Amino acid sequence: DSGVTQTPKHLITATGQRVTLRCSPRSGDLSVYWYQQSLDQGLQFLIQYYNGEERAKGNILERFSAQQFPDLHSELNLSSLELGDSALYFCASSSGTGYYGYTFGSGTRLTVV
Amino acid sequence: TQLLEQSPQFLSIQEGENLTVYCNSSSVFSSLQWYRQEPGEGPVLLVTVVTGGEVKKLKRLTFQFGDARKDSSLHITAAQPGDTGLYLCAGALPGTYKYIFGTGTRLKVLA
Repeated sequence: DSGVTQTPKHLITATGQRVTLRCSPRSGDLSVYWYQQSLDQGLQFLIQYYNGEERAKGNILERFSAQQFPDLHSELNLSSLELGDSALYFCASSSGTGYYGYTFGSGTRLTVV
Repeated sequence: TQLLEQSPQFLSIQEGENLTVYCNSSSVFSSLQWYRQEPGEGPVLLVTVVTGGEVKKLKRLTFQFGDARKDSSLHITAAQPGDTGLYLCAGALPGTYKYIFGTGTRLKVLA
């Protein structure tokens, strides 16, 4: 157990639907990061939050949004889902900038049918 | 565009062999990490290197950060089937919040 909790572990939904992925960071970590990993693809950075504020944005689609709540947990909202959105979505956390690396959760596998 | 390129992309070796994975960039990094990822799981942090020329050892794994802090290598001695996985390097860019992952090396060690 890495200390980063992601729910749900698996999600199957239809095209056009909306889903919410949830992440609780490791205790004491203020930064949360979201990544997408498609089959045989590398980790694509989506977005970073630090203590409730958006800090950096990567290749996140306009259909996707995220937030970090006062208790530091984060949610990633994916809407108008397309088949190509099927992927593993990882949340990671760090104490600050990630200078010493990240701790990853075990991911949410999203399948859009 | 800052890129971290890893080589080789794929590696299949016999148990007991040695191997080296490379991670190269044209950018300078303030720190660099190596992760191992198993199928269906999140990457697990193996090591962080921060000083140019730094060498760290983790059992049979040896990590080196280049003198100019633009590249790194991971050497595995006497590989075991349990070493099988996707190895990712990642680095923090100085003065920014940017953190870049490498393209990955998929290692398979055959018993």
